[in-house]
Amino acid sequence: DIVMTQSPLSLPVTPGEPASISCRSSQSLLHSNGNTYLDWYLQKPGQSPQLLIYLNSKRASGVPDRFSATGSGTDFTLRISRVETEDVGVYFCMQALLTPPYTFGQGTKLEIK
Amino acid sequence: EVQLVESGGGLVQPGGSLRLSCVASGFTFRTSWMHWVRQTPGKGLVWVSRINDDGRTTNYADSVKGRFTMSRDNAKNTLYLQMNNLRVEDTAVYYCARATPTDSIDYWGQGTLVTV
Repeated sequence: DIVMTQSPLSLPVTPGEPASISCRSSQSLLHSNGNTYLDWYLQKPGQSPQLLIYLNSKRASGVPDRFSATGSGTDFTLRISRVETEDVGVYFCMQALLTPPYTFGQGTKLEIK
Repeated sequence: EVQLVESGGGLVQPGGSLRLSCVASGFTFRTSWMHWVRQTPGKGLVWVSRINDDGRTTNYADSVKGRFTMSRDNAKNTLYLQMNNLRVEDTAVYYCARATPTDSIDYWGQGTLVTV
């Protein structure tokens, strides 16, 4: 199974400041079709997870453009250009290349300083 | 509006059984692949199972294979997870979720708590 490793696990951020979260996979997530099967999800307090980014860098419907994601192969980064208070929660990466099983990172808890 | 509403969770003794249901609305259920994903405080999100659109193909995590059975009734827009021989480590919030054509998960239910 592909192992997903996130860092940091806790991320205190001042509103208005940028933030970044790293995700590493134990195998490349690049498919022969050219797509990279890496997603990012946010679970806000008391809510279910919501899709932020799919196929490595594509924002899901309704996701603000302050969220962006890059990466290739095994190294990926989610960036928030200017953190807002509504961005608090736990961020997860997930690989969907070699499935099943789908595998998630441990989660990164973003909190406001 | 897409809605996924789970039910059927509860407290059960080890070795017992539960059947979870998930009623879908707001989208064409019969053409959607679906997942069950569970979450524990200690281990985050863990994928449990997947079913294709017509229900003929299912996949399971090794930890539940042989004990859990995922099924669907497209006429009722309902997804099921039959959980047998439950273990303490199956304690979690169980989410049903919709798969996208690119294999992401774009909608999640509110979850139902299973305590073993």
